Amino acid sequence: DQQVKQNSPSLSVQEGRISILNCDYTNSMFDYFLWYKKYPAEGPTFLISISSIKDKNEDGRFTVFLNKSAKHLSLHIVPSQPGDSAVYFCAASGNTPLVFGKGTRLSVIA
Amino acid sequence: DADVTQTPRNRITKTGKRIMLECSQTKGHDRMYWYRQDPGLGLRLIYYSFDVKDINKGEISDGYSVSRQAQAKFSLSLESAIPNQTALYFCATSDPGLVEQFFGPGTRLTVL
Repeated sequence: DQQVKQNSPSLSVQEGRISILNCDYTNSMFDYFLWYKKYPAEGPTFLISISSIKDKNEDGRFTVFLNKSAKHLSLHIVPSQPGDSAVYFCAASGNTPLVFGKGTRLSVIA
Repeated sequence: DADVTQTPRNRITKTGKRIMLECSQTKGHDRMYWYRQDPGLGLRLIYYSFDVKDINKGEISDGYSVSRQAQAKFSLSLESAIPNQTALYFCATSDPGLVEQFFGPGTRLTVL
């Protein structure tokens, strides 16, 4: 049973617009959430995280929102740039190794 | 220099062969992990180690074994490779005080 779900395998957005990537989780013991970005032929790299005691964390163009009651988090990228085109993985932890979603491939079109 | 290195980067082998993938890190982290990535399936945990004397199975450990030779080295073995082990394999490290994991560049393994 998947504990971390990314239901959109892919997303296309025009350059300059907002990209919104979504993630749902089922395990209420998760208390820390992360987003990773992966380019082809490279390993995933950490992008941004949020603790369950917060509902928003911002870092430059990237903002993560957490809705604990809905067990839902989202990553907002604004403005989107062509270099943001990559696969984005949502991950969660509850004093255990990270559990990853299947990823969403973002394509930012110039 | 990369903090987490994996060797080889690419490997093609035949069914039934024994394969070892190696991971080294210079980050000084105690915790190390092996994941595999398959198209549409994301990253799945194979084995993890919280220190040199600690080995734990992950979600998909069948058909794999690991060895933690030192704090900086964690190797993954396929005792008898089969075609459905064709995948991208990633090693990762973390510090006990942080949740974030740091990944190596990956090994692309093809089993014919």
